[in-house]
Amino acid sequence: QVQLVESGGGLVKPGESLSLSCAASGFTFSAYYMSWFRQAPGKGLEWISYISDTAHIVHYADSVKGRFTISRDNAQKLLSLHMNSLRADDTAVYYCAKEIPSISFFGSWGPGTLVTVSS
Amino acid sequence: DIQMTQSPSSVSASVGDTVTITCRPSQDIDSWLAWYQQKPGKAPSLLIYTASNLQSGVPSRFSGSQSGTDFTLTISSLQPEDFATYYCQQAKSFPLTFGGGTKVEIK
Repeated sequence: QVQLVESGGGLVKPGESLSLSCAASGFTFSAYYMSWFRQAPGKGLEWISYISDTAHIVHYADSVKGRFTISRDNAQKLLSLHMNSLRADDTAVYYCAKEIPSISFFGSWGPGTLVTVSS
Repeated sequence: DIQMTQSPSSVSASVGDTVTITCRPSQDIDSWLAWYQQKPGKAPSLLIYTASNLQSGVPSRFSGSQSGTDFTLTISSLQPEDFATYYCQQAKSFPLTFGGGTKVEIK
């Protein structure tokens, strides 16, 4: 069955960097578009980045554009999110999710990893 | 950006009740709307996509509909496991955006 597992979260100081990973299994990772979402404590869901199957298309939310970079390694079945210049308002649980083919809805999600940005 | 206005923000209901949640986009999104359920401490789970298509494995008491540009999630005969927060999401254009959420609480 489809499994997505995020890792790499933790406590960092404002201005620091952090990289998140999402290990995929149970499906042909290279055939699916993927996204990252986040949810600040007690808040709603926010989409933050999207990458096509071969990484030829990427999108970012304005809130992270220029600071975050999405990438993927299809051979390793790994989705990544590199986050620079982290701010307190980046504190959230970060989820990776697998898109239903050809429509930007997400039928499979990882359990999430918590990123806390605090001095 | 397309803003998604979801209402109500919370609703109290009893087991067996029918609950209706509405989502109104700030511009036309055709039928590019999904509904998700999220329980505390868990990832969201897809219920409905393209307005009215039931995701595999989701109970048939969940249904989605569209009337003009407004979208509705209906939960018929509410079950104890349905107490959760529900979100709509548009996929008409980037950035993908969500409604603010509706918390379905036990009366």
